[in-house]
Amino acid sequence: DVKVTQSSRYLVKRTGEKVFLECVQDMDHENMFWYRQDPGLGLRLIYFSYDVKMKEKGDIPEGYSVSREKKERFSLILESASTNQTSMYLCASRREGNQPQHFGDGTRLSIL
Amino acid sequence: AQSVAQPEDQVNVAEGNPLTVKCTYSVSGNPYLFWYVQYPNRGLQFLLKYITGDNLVKGSYGFEAEFNKSQTSFHLKKPSALVSDSALYFCAVRDFFSGGYNKLIFGAGTRLAVHP
Repeated sequence: DVKVTQSSRYLVKRTGEKVFLECVQDMDHENMFWYRQDPGLGLRLIYFSYDVKMKEKGDIPEGYSVSREKKERFSLILESASTNQTSMYLCASRREGNQPQHFGDGTRLSIL
Repeated sequence: AQSVAQPEDQVNVAEGNPLTVKCTYSVSGNPYLFWYVQYPNRGLQFLLKYITGDNLVKGSYGFEAEFNKSQTSFHLKKPSALVSDSALYFCAVRDFFSGGYNKLIFGAGTRLAVHP
């Protein structure tokens, strides 16, 4: 079974802090994704990576950056956290093509 | 642009009754459609997908979905609901980045509540 692991289930940070969310997958998947989930808005894609050191902006990349130095790990970085980035963050991975995405359990991030 | 709509925020059904969670889509080209389920405090789990072939797609946990091209719909169904089916359900459609890579566009989600 594919396992996608997000390093924290709950995280509380302060406005202006630099925040790192980590995601690791164990199935050698080429593609990895970061989403945020907000009530009534579904999932919105922040960034996508199709290979090591490669990335594409999603629909809402502003205020975020990503890093993929190794195939199994995809990090989301909030450069200077703001209260409007309080949300549930979900990481996913997928084998190349039209295969389904496999999700981690999410990180609920609160910015105070 | 590709889009997907889930017209119902919440669906209520009695245990043992059939359930339907609705999804409509708008795409250029052939649609690739997915259903996911999210249980409380968990990530999304894949239920089923339609790429091509039979319009009735069978998936996990007894769920199925019917692809209807003329109505641009992909409704999720189950003949007999269980209380344990209570969760948040997401419909998604494939979209493309520049460079040919593809991503999913998700609907807003429908909360299914199955009552004993």
